[in-house]
Amino acid sequence: GESVGLHLPTLSVQEGDNSIINCAYSNSASDYFIWYKQESGKGPQFIIDIRSNMDKRQGQRVTVLLNKTVKHLSLQIAATQPGDSAVYFCAENNAGGTSYGKLTFGQGTILTVHP
Amino acid sequence: DTEVTQTPKHLVMGMTNKKSLKCEQHMGHRAMYWYKQKAKKPPELMFVYSYEKLSINESVPSRFSPECPNSSLLNLHLHALQPEDSALYLCASSWDSGNEQFFGPGTRLTVL
Repeated sequence: GESVGLHLPTLSVQEGDNSIINCAYSNSASDYFIWYKQESGKGPQFIIDIRSNMDKRQGQRVTVLLNKTVKHLSLQIAATQPGDSAVYFCAENNAGGTSYGKLTFGQGTILTVHP
Repeated sequence: DTEVTQTPKHLVMGMTNKKSLKCEQHMGHRAMYWYKQKAKKPPELMFVYSYEKLSINESVPSRFSPECPNSSLLNLHLHALQPEDSALYLCASSWDSGNEQFFGPGTRLTVL
C-alpha cells in the first residue's frame, strides 16, 4: 500500500482478478477522501470519494473502504481489466480553518494488469 | 461541458521569458486550483481560488503568479523560472473547496 513519504509501490495482477490498493493517511482531521487514476500523459481522473461519516462506498466495479480508527483507506477494483493499468492516488481533504480545500495526495501505487 | 481544458499542452521557455498557462471550465465550479507534478510524484498544491479570490498559496515562489479573471478562467503567469520548475502543471476545479476536484490534462513545461 501507499503512504506519504515512501517509495512508489507497485501491484501486478492478472486480468479478471480483483485488485486492492491501500493508503494510509496521517491527518485525523481529514473528513473527505478521494481516489484518482492517472494514466501516462494525462491528468488525474476522479474514481470515487468517501466522507468520514461513512466506512464504505461502492461505485461501478470499485469500492472504497475507510477505517478511521487506523487511518486507512483502500480501493477495491473488481474484475480488473488492462485498461485499469495506471497510477492510483488517494487524496485527503483537510477540513477546517485556512486549509479547507487543500487536497493532499499520497505517493501513488502503480497498477499493472496483465492480459 | 464537463471538462477542464488547459492550454498550451506543451511549453518550452527560457529562464528570462514570460509566459502564461491558461485553464478554463464551464461547469459552474466556484473553486479552481493549480498543482505542480514532477515525474513519478503526486500532484502538489500550489494555489486555490474560491469564488475568484485567492484562498490558499502554498508558499509558492513569486515567479509564479496566479490570476482568476472570472469564475471560468484561471491563469498562471510565469516569469524568470528555473530549470527545476520543469514539470506538469495541472489545473482543477470543483463546486466548492470541499468537493471532488476535476483535473485538466495539464501543461508540460520545460524550462531551459
